[in-house]
Amino acid sequence: DTGVSQNPRHKITKRGQNVTFRCDPISEHNRLYWYRQTLGQGPEFLTYFQNEAQLEKSRLLSDRFSAERPKGSFSTLEIQRTEQGDSAMYLCASSIGLAGGNQANTQYFGPGTRLTVL
Amino acid sequence: AQSVAQPEDQVNVAEGNPLTVKCTYSVSGNPYLFWYVQYPNRGLQFLLKYITGDNLVKGSYGFEAEFNKSQTSFHLKKPSALVSDSALYFCAVRDPYGGSQGNLIFGKGTKLSVKP
Repeated sequence: DTGVSQNPRHKITKRGQNVTFRCDPISEHNRLYWYRQTLGQGPEFLTYFQNEAQLEKSRLLSDRFSAERPKGSFSTLEIQRTEQGDSAMYLCASSIGLAGGNQANTQYFGPGTRLTVL
Repeated sequence: AQSVAQPEDQVNVAEGNPLTVKCTYSVSGNPYLFWYVQYPNRGLQFLLKYITGDNLVKGSYGFEAEFNKSQTSFHLKKPSALVSDSALYFCAVRDPYGGSQGNLIFGKGTKLSVKP
């Protein structure tokens, strides 16, 4: 299967701990997105990479959050000093995209990482 | 500001009957519109999208959606519902002139329940 993969699928942590999630996009996709989904809501955009460059961040992405995509392939999302309000499903998506090109390209989502902060 | 509204939290349909899941949008220019489906504890699966051209878009699993510019709507439809269609459905919009380079704006989702 060459879809988007995410690890771990589930993470339970105590408040104040740091957590890191990984996303492996579809291999030929150069755009990678992170979203957060809370119960009863649609996904909300967090950040976006074109290759290794982080081009956009949402206001939701506080300074406790950091994302990287060091070689333009997989990406990590780290949350420092977790809070109970960080409990959510973290979704990664990828798409093909040329620089300045068609923004209508379909985003394909991974299965998500469900974070529970106790 | 870009936004999407899904006015129904839940839609109940009998198997074999047609279904409609409603979506309206607000963008400054011509929208790119998407439908995704989410099964429990799973990510989102792409169903279909409207970019330009024919207002009736056909997608996966027999779903289709009709773009209506005057009503700013993009309702999802299926002629004959299956029990296996029961899931959470999300409408999303991308404003190509909104200045943002990447993100989709999602509605809150509509839970579709198909009873046998």
